[in-house]
Parts: sequence; structure tokens; C-alpha cells
Amino acid sequence: GAGVSQSPRYKVAKRGQDVALRCDPISGHVSLFWYQQALGQGPEFLTYFQNEAQLDKSGLPSDRFFAERPEGSVSTLKIQRTQQEDSAVYLCASSLEDRGMYEQYFGPGTRLTVT
Amino acid sequence: KEVEQDPGPLSVPEGAIVSLNCTYSNSAFQYFMWYRQYSRKGPELLMYTYSSGNKEDGRFTAQVDKSSKYISLFIRDSQPSDSATYLCALTFSGGYNKLIFGAGTRLAVHP
Repeated sequence: GAGVSQSPRYKVAKRGQDVALRCDPISGHVSLFWYQQALGQGPEFLTYFQNEAQLDKSGLPSDRFFAERPEGSVSTLKIQRTQQEDSAVYLCASSLEDRGMYEQYFGPGTRLTVT
Repeated sequence: KEVEQDPGPLSVPEGAIVSLNCTYSNSAFQYFMWYRQYSRKGPELLMYTYSSGNKEDGRFTAQVDKSSKYISLFIRDSQPSDSATYLCALTFSGGYNKLIFGAGTRLAVHP
């Protein structure tokens, strides 16, 4: 079956532009996570959804970052007024259940470059 | 940082035994995972261990020593296809399992 897909795969934005990154999780997966991976670093947690409810947004670095999952499937991560420090790979992951140790399936990521 | 991992790079000849390690500071972590990430791909789960002990899967063995807060991944008979970045990831029991990753170790296995 299809895995987690993300679009666009690459995005170049000028400083100050708004961007929207899309995640299509595996069908039926309850949990959806966004992570940010800077060059040479491991992914860092941004936010978590259980179905359409955003239960944890403690990792969002500033109020310029906003995420939504209105119908409990597709999710969008929006970054307003992008800054150079926002350049990173943004990874989306989904898992079947909402608790317990269930494998998180990662998408290929969106590589954002802010110039 | 909650999880420390030597970024490498680590270069070994084909057939070598590879040892990858992470240390952590929070004794509340209960699940210990190893992810493999190929260039320009998302991480994929290799194996996970709950609490302490060893787990083996083919050429891969994961070890957790909670008393030392130290986890390891061993790769036997390493292959060029094992060349990737290996990330340790830790999380707590219960809840929704937000993963805390190490920085990743880049491994190159040369023929």
C-alpha cells in the first residue's frame, strides 16, 4: 500500500514569504507527527495530532508556525514570514494508534530552503 | 541534549562488525529505537527494544543498558547497502510516543 507522502519535495522561498507543506498519512492512521530535521541533525518534534485534534504543539519554534489536520487525514504545516533559520527538512510521520509503541512511518520530507 | 550520539562519519570495510551507540540522560525513557535514514529519504524503523535487554533481528542486534543509560546497535557482516545514517530514538511508555532523536551517525561500508 501507499506510504506517507509529502509535497512539495523541495521548496525554495524568499525570506518573508509564507509556505504550506502538505502531508498525506497512511489511510486509517490515527496519529500524525511533524518533525523538523536540520542539516546533520536528528529530527526534532514539532507537533502531534490525534485524528483532527492537535494535542501537542510544544515543539513549534515560534508563532509563525501553524499546523492543521481538519478532517483527521491530510495535514498542512504552514510557516509564515519565513526566515533563514527555518531552512530544514520537514518530516511527517503517522502511526496506527494513539498510544503504546506503534511504529511511526515517515514520509520522504519536504526540504525547505529560505534565501 | 537529552540524547547524545556521535555523528561520525564511520567508514568500515565490507564484512566488518559495526557498533553504533547513544547515551541519554532521562531515566524515564522506556522504548529505545534505531532508525535508518538513506540520503534524501525519511527514517525507517529497524528495531525497537522495550526497557532493558537485547534484541536480535538478522544481522542487527540492539542492546539497552538502563543502568548506564547507554544503547547500542551492532551490525554483523556489514554490506555496502548498509551505508546510511543511523538514528537512535527514545520515548516514554504510555502517551503518544513523541520521539526524541539523537543526531545520527553516518556509516559508510566500502567494498
